[in-house]
Amino acid sequence: GAGVSQSPSNKVTEKGKDVELRCDPISGHTALYWYRQSLGQGLEFLIYFQGNSAPDKSGLPSDRFSAERTGGSVSTLTIQRTQQEDSAVYLCASSLYRRMSTGELFFGEGSRLTVL
Amino acid sequence: TQLLEQSPQFLSIQEGENLTVYCNSSSVFSSLQWYRQEPGEGPVLLVTVVTGGEVKKLKRLTFQFGDARKDSSLHITAAQTGDTGLYLCAGRETSGSRLTFGEGTQLTVNP
Repeated sequence: GAGVSQSPSNKVTEKGKDVELRCDPISGHTALYWYRQSLGQGLEFLIYFQGNSAPDKSGLPSDRFSAERTGGSVSTLTIQRTQQEDSAVYLCASSLYRRMSTGELFFGEGSRLTVL
Repeated sequence: TQLLEQSPQFLSIQEGENLTVYCNSSSVFSSLQWYRQEPGEGPVLLVTVVTGGEVKKLKRLTFQFGDARKDSSLHITAAQTGDTGLYLCAGRETSGSRLTFGEGTQLTVNP
């Protein structure tokens, strides 16, 4: 596709269940970001992947959160034992990476997670 | 973590008015970007500023990067209802990797 694709667009789950959110970045983009956004708020950084380098996981809020990026393309964000405070929109973005670049981030439409 | 503070958090104005949104930090950024987000969509890039003191204009929008590369402003002239949205500033750390976002300014332009 032409843009960043995220699925599911909406997910409602029960407290304690695990969820997986998927991101399919723009072809050829080596940088991939996950952010979390609460209603009407700014973006909270979660994790950043760049090529084969070790990911920057410093934004993950707890060890219940993990993310993988397979083959330098598709990424999955997994939240284990979901809590109500995990409810938010999870945004994925991709970018062409150049060292010290000013690269534009291209965002997907997000996955809205609701934990009951 | 480098923090970005945006002000005001909410702004409601009439069509035709001018406005300025501010983005401030105590840290230096290698570059700063402004994004606009509409409900149900991801943010979309408006502009990137790189050089301290730089001013960029995009039609009725004027963006400025502070001399010390710690702050930025967005000025909109003669606002239109189509300008309504969440405006986000984002600073790129000097290491060149993480992009840190501010809390956003929710702008509503009333007809």
